[in-house]
Amino acid sequence: AQSVTQLGSHVSVSEGALVLLRCNYSSSVPPYLFWYVQYPNQGLQLLLKYTTGATLVKGINGFEAEFKKSETSFHLTKPSAHMSDAAEYFCAVSEASGGYQKVTFGTGTKLQVIP
Amino acid sequence: EAGVAQSPRYKIIEKRQSVAFWCNPISGHATLYWYQQILGQGPKLLIQFQNNGVVDDSQLPKDRFSAERLKGVDSTLKIQPAKLEDSAVYLCASSLDPPRHGELFFGEGSRLTVL
Repeated sequence: AQSVTQLGSHVSVSEGALVLLRCNYSSSVPPYLFWYVQYPNQGLQLLLKYTTGATLVKGINGFEAEFKKSETSFHLTKPSAHMSDAAEYFCAVSEASGGYQKVTFGTGTKLQVIP
Repeated sequence: EAGVAQSPRYKIIEKRQSVAFWCNPISGHATLYWYQQILGQGPKLLIQFQNNGVVDDSQLPKDRFSAERLKGVDSTLKIQPAKLEDSAVYLCASSLDPPRHGELFFGEGSRLTVL
């Protein structure tokens, strides 16, 4: 069964500092991996995704993530945090199961950006 | 392109009452999902439809929760009777069939408070 672990339910960074949100997964088959962002009182929106090919993927708002199979990780980074990045971030894994795609989410990491 | 529509956005009820949430997916999306997001947790899949049929309802508390998707488009999620622990945001999502690598499109959610 697939699963996702996000280390750190809360992360605080100063404005302009590096953002690093950690995600590890387990999957019995090569997975598709995602990061979603959720702003207050809104639904989730896709930030970036890894399917196949290049292991470093770039997303919206300057975020990127690197798929490392040997470490079963898909950490999210951004070189310089903005105040507008304050939100909750969810890592997700998707794999084929019984003829359909099953998507499992992590517990989320709330990012606080300090001015 | 219109996104996933959900209503109502907010609902407050007393325990043992009933409530229903409605979802209209993105046009052309055959797969529809209902997730439950309890405060501080990641989204948990309640039920997944592929067109009219249910492909996964393993985590749906069937003694009190029910969901239907008539004509493969709109969907309704009902809770009867509600318990205090049902307080959560109910997120509806849709995707292509098969979903493009598992990418989901979310509505803004329906926040339920059970008193």
